[in-house]
Amino acid sequence: SAVISQKPSRDICQRGTSLTIQCQVDSQVTMMFWYRQQPGQSLTLIATANQGSEATYESGFVIDKFPISRPNLTFSTLTVSNMSPEDSSIYLCSAGAGNRDTEAFFGQGTRLTVV
Amino acid sequence: GENVEQHPSTLSVQEGDSAVIKCTYSDSASNYFPWYKQELGKRPQLIIDIRSNVGEKKDQRIAVTLNKTAKHFSLHITETQPEDSAVYFCAATPPDTGRRALTFGSGTRLQVQP
Repeated sequence: SAVISQKPSRDICQRGTSLTIQCQVDSQVTMMFWYRQQPGQSLTLIATANQGSEATYESGFVIDKFPISRPNLTFSTLTVSNMSPEDSSIYLCSAGAGNRDTEAFFGQGTRLTVV
Repeated sequence: GENVEQHPSTLSVQEGDSAVIKCTYSDSASNYFPWYKQELGKRPQLIIDIRSNVGEKKDQRIAVTLNKTAKHFSLHITETQPEDSAVYFCAATPPDTGRRALTFGSGTRLQVQP
């Protein structure tokens, strides 16, 4: 199984600012994903981070608000831009195990509070 | 797209009893069904998974069953222990079409009473 390190683990940010979350995997993976988990809720996919091309966003999420980078097969970042209190949530990155396997493992999450 | 429904939302059992959580999915092409356990403040942890070519899979006290015809799958935990208390999520994913993101159920909060 892949080991995924995510940072920061938590942050408190002022509204109107931006926060970049980093996700590092200990092995090369084809697929990386970013999820949001609001308090007491399930996980909602934000986007698929594609290596070498633009991320693929789910309905309700846009690149201007959640720009994503994927410079190589082990690293990705998610930026939460122009934050408002409604962005307070846990953000999780996830990585697949390989081309044929679909097991997904998660980073420890970033707990974001916007004040 | 895929839609996964999960029931019940909360489940309380006595230690030693069995617990069953059920999920249904909408996309008949989905072929991979993992279950995650999430303890408070922690990341989701994969506990068991099943692929569409298998009807049942067991790992010690945990088992998962899949009914492709009915498009539902279930998690069974036997001899429950207090440390099984957590939120459990089912998920489904479609075949390798370049987009293998998971669609999650709404979660089940399991409480095991000692």
